[in-house]
Amino acid sequence: GESVGLHLPTLSVQEGDNSIINCAYSNSASDYFIWYKQESGKGPQFIIDIRSNMDKRQGQRVTVLLNKTVKHLSLQIAATQPGDSAVYFCAENYPLSGSARQLTFGSGTQLTVLP
Amino acid sequence: EAEVAQSPRYKITEKSQAVAFWCDPISGHATLYWYRQILGQGPELLVQFQDESVVDDSQLPKDRFSAERLKGVDSTLKIQPAELGDSAMYLCASRPSVGLKETQYFGPGTRLLVL
Repeated sequence: GESVGLHLPTLSVQEGDNSIINCAYSNSASDYFIWYKQESGKGPQFIIDIRSNMDKRQGQRVTVLLNKTVKHLSLQIAATQPGDSAVYFCAENYPLSGSARQLTFGSGTQLTVLP
Repeated sequence: EAEVAQSPRYKITEKSQAVAFWCDPISGHATLYWYRQILGQGPELLVQFQDESVVDDSQLPKDRFSAERLKGVDSTLKIQPAELGDSAMYLCASRPSVGLKETQYFGPGTRLLVL
């Protein structure tokens, strides 16, 4: 079936540098995308989202870019800090029947921030 | 800040035994999800509830897994009998109701180890 995948399983960056985490999706019906951060032993934590009618959305130190033409999503983290070390998942959200919606996750990228 | 509650946080059991996990979603959230997350992978949906009704359980192994949300509030996920391959993190998530931009909020998860 269709799925969300990530290009890189691991990413190491120096503290203070910018991080870019990429994601490819394949479900053309997906109209809402979310980035989650998951620290060891915890559940996924919402970071930022974007609707399919947008191509860029900014939050606090994070930016999500959406390219629907090539079905690509990216998460940019500015001035990466040690607390940003975690696994990052992109997830695509699409409608089912009625009001139901489904969220499908990619396999994740482990971000490690080096001192 | 309201959170999704799950218990127990950790469970060790022997194969062929029965286990049960409990989830209390954020108050007022009509939609509840159970996910399974194998180490190193993204969460995979098992079952979705809208109030007390099952919306999607197509990925739930119904020969051994069952889920209920009798009063449309808290929920229980049961495995009987447990198998070695069931070792994973079981995550519960909830979202308010219908709508595109209603992101899912995750609990801390229950980590299951089947020996």
